Amino acid sequence: DAKTTQPNSMESNEEEPVHLPCNHSTISGTDYIHWYRQLPSQGPEYVIHGLTSNVNNRMASLAIAEDRKSSTLILHRATLRDAAVYYCTISGGGADGLTFGKGTHLIIQP
Amino acid sequence: DTGVSQDPRHKITKRGQNVTFRCDPISEHNRLYWYRQTLGQGPEFLTYFQNEAQLEKSRLLSDRFSAERPKGSFSTLEIQRTEQGDSAMYLCASSLDWRDTEAFFGQGTRLTVV
Repeated sequence: DAKTTQPNSMESNEEEPVHLPCNHSTISGTDYIHWYRQLPSQGPEYVIHGLTSNVNNRMASLAIAEDRKSSTLILHRATLRDAAVYYCTISGGGADGLTFGKGTHLIIQP
Repeated sequence: DTGVSQDPRHKITKRGQNVTFRCDPISEHNRLYWYRQTLGQGPEFLTYFQNEAQLEKSRLLSDRFSAERPKGSFSTLEIQRTEQGDSAMYLCASSLDWRDTEAFFGQGTRLTVV
């Protein structure tokens, strides 16, 4: 499985954009990039995924580097409810056998 | 449908006892996954099913761990002869099929072995 590297924690202010980076230098050509988040006392929650092109959905945007060795999850306007651990993970497709690292603990200041 | 349901939410057991956890996936979801999560770590993949077929079990932590999905609906995860190191959150997730990139997770079963 491709390994991912994320900062342990990040802090942002409410109503400001947040950019969460992820490095995945060993990603293969057919691997998808997935992002999940985990709120306290909850199971992980799907956020977004992508292959090569940047992606947008109601929760966030995913910016993928041209060489695909890194990606950035963008929360356009953080709220207190976005405080969670964010995981970047790589898979060959589908949700099979997702490998989660320690993730980034996002702290939102009011 | 209220999502992936896990039972019990909490389990305290004495070392050496067997425990069984149940997971009810979202209706019509063919894929079902089990993960373990220890404090401060991300979820660790254990095993998964396509309907009743267990497609991957080499990552189960030891031969004390086993999982079933007998009718392709709910699944059980059993740990025999529990050890203190088994204390963790056990998470279940489901997805529609092999092409579906979104896995829906339950709230987990927290196991404490004393």
